[in-house]
Amino acid sequence: DAKTTQPPSMDCAEGRAANLPCNHSTISGNEYVYWYRQIHSQGPQYIIHGLKNNETNEMASLIITEDRKSSTLILPHATLRDTAVYYCIVRVANYGQNFVFGPGTRLSVLP
Amino acid sequence: DSGVTQTPKHLITATGQRVTLRCSPRSGDLSVYWYQQSLDQGLQFLIHYYNGEERAKGNILERFSAQQFPDLHSELNLSSLELGDSALYFCASSARTGGDYGYTFGSGTRLTVV
Repeated sequence: DAKTTQPPSMDCAEGRAANLPCNHSTISGNEYVYWYRQIHSQGPQYIIHGLKNNETNEMASLIITEDRKSSTLILPHATLRDTAVYYCIVRVANYGQNFVFGPGTRLSVLP
Repeated sequence: DSGVTQTPKHLITATGQRVTLRCSPRSGDLSVYWYQQSLDQGLQFLIHYYNGEERAKGNILERFSAQQFPDLHSELNLSSLELGDSALYFCASSARTGGDYGYTFGSGTRLTVV
């Protein structure tokens, strides 16, 4: 799987948009970008994934650059409950493949 | 409730002992994955089973073993336990057909070796 680079930590004010960047400059053409988050000691939670088009669901939006070398996860109105470690992972969309988690970004939403 | 059930939630045991962690995947999921999360190592992939067969191994110690049963539940066996085995152990399952929306994780088993 391609490697990703994320900032180790970020802060965001409650109610504001949280924009979490991820670099994946060696991504292959058939690899998707996945985002998970882990709220303190709970099991990781799937957020969103995409290939090359921007994606949006009830939790977040995923913006992937045209060259696919980087992406941004956007939480439109961050709440205190969004405080978590966010993981960006790239891999082929094959349900048999395992996810490799890096250190992620620790997002702190501040009141 | 994610649909992935892990038991027990907490386990305290002594060094040298053996424990078994259990995981029931979401209904219909054939793949089960085990991960270990310790403070200094982050989330480490251990092993993957699909429909009863081992599919991939990660950083799993020889003292650890796993299996998946015909009813698709899985067990992770940890033996000759050491203090360093203290960690959160997560199980995840994934859908067998259709779009790949990633894994669904359970809430984990916190193992403390004393």
